[in-house]
Amino acid sequence: GENVEQHPSTLSVQEGDSAVIKCTYSDSASNYFPWYKQELGKGPQLIIDIRSNVGEKKDQRIAVTLNKTAKHFSLHITETQPEDSAVYFCAASKGSGTASKLTFGTGTRLQVTL
Amino acid sequence: DGGITQSPKYLFRKEGQNVTLSCEQNLNHDAMYWYRQDPGQGLRLIYYSQIVNDFQKGDIAEGYSVSREKKESFPLTVTSAQKNPTAFYLCASSMTSGSVEQYFGPGTRLTVT
Repeated sequence: GENVEQHPSTLSVQEGDSAVIKCTYSDSASNYFPWYKQELGKGPQLIIDIRSNVGEKKDQRIAVTLNKTAKHFSLHITETQPEDSAVYFCAASKGSGTASKLTFGTGTRLQVTL
Repeated sequence: DGGITQSPKYLFRKEGQNVTLSCEQNLNHDAMYWYRQDPGQGLRLIYYSQIVNDFQKGDIAEGYSVSREKKESFPLTVTSAQKNPTAFYLCASSMTSGSVEQYFGPGTRLTVT
């Protein structure tokens, strides 16, 4: 089955700096890669996703890149703010037309310091 | 207020008791999912259902059971056979055609002593 590895497990940046979180996946058939943000005691919130037919997607300060050949994808957060502090999870699935079973990475705890 | 609701937020049980966690969605999504989250780990799939009266085992189904009698409801029962039931349980839903994004509920923290 699919295996997703995520690095780093913790990341501390100063406010205003950029943060990058990287994930690799094992199943070349995976075609959907979402990123979730989870605040303490809450459910994960979908913040951005990318499908295998595109290489990059941006939404304001957040961007995701995908390298299908190398089977890795990354989350980029620019101009970080204290409210960006949370745990971020990447995931991968082959979902289309059926229930999309997501395989998650182990998470990255991002801390944005003042 | 639309979305996915899970109740209760905190649940305490004695070892050996079965317990049922509630999940309801009003998004008209076809598929629903249950995940388990342990401290410092990612989410692991317990069960999922694509349509009413149908469900499939995920990666860690042992000791759990589900039902899907209504489109909007997907309750999870943690049985006494689950050896380590204390965890944070998350329910999610998605469409099964077109957009396949999964949206999560707020979770239920189950503590078994």
